[in-house]
Amino acid sequence: EADIYQTPRYLVIGTGKKITLECSQTMGHDKMYWYQQDPGMELHLIHYSYGVNSTEKGDLSSESTVSRIRTEHFPLTLESARPSHTSQYLCASSELGGRTTNEKLFFGSGTQLSVL
Amino acid sequence: DQQVKQNSPSLSVQEGRISILNCDYTNSMFDYFLWYKKYPAEGPTFLISISSIKDKNEDGRFTVFLNKSAKHLSLHIVPSQPGDSAVYFCAASKLTSGTYKYIFGTGTRLKVLA
Repeated sequence: EADIYQTPRYLVIGTGKKITLECSQTMGHDKMYWYQQDPGMELHLIHYSYGVNSTEKGDLSSESTVSRIRTEHFPLTLESARPSHTSQYLCASSELGGRTTNEKLFFGSGTQLSVL
Repeated sequence: DQQVKQNSPSLSVQEGRISILNCDYTNSMFDYFLWYKKYPAEGPTFLISISSIKDKNEDGRFTVFLNKSAKHLSLHIVPSQPGDSAVYFCAASKLTSGTYKYIFGTGTRLKVLA
């Protein structure tokens, strides 16, 4: 079973607020990811990290930023939330770091963000 | 340009019958395919996978078939149970800039009727 945790599960916030979505994993995985998903749409990769002090932008442009100071922790920050940021944000990690095939992603429960 | 397509947004099946979920892809460089199951307000959970060197992989009630010439894979659930009601995503991975990336489809919502 995956040990990857996201908080909060739900967040309703006003426009212009700064928010941080937390993601932690206890599996010691080097590679971590943030996906964004809207209802009926595919999961879009917005950020990933190969390890400590490594962050990369994903395929979908996002105004959010991430940091990776510790292996187990990969928080996502929005400096000024807008209604267009309303979405589900999913954090994931992988054991082999994408260096080989035949691996899978472990997902957290997600954060449903609503910006009013 | 969507590289992984799930053309059926929803599917309803009677309990005990077979559920068949389909997925098509466009990029022949994909070499590993996965199926994930997602309940509302939860993260996706891994279900089953298949490597491009195989054409079938089975795990209990779940079987994935891969047809590389048609760039098509399908997930069979037999027998279907009400607890299988969820959104199912297929995903494909390929080597990009030295690392494997995962491309997801839009999902198919399966409803198993009791």
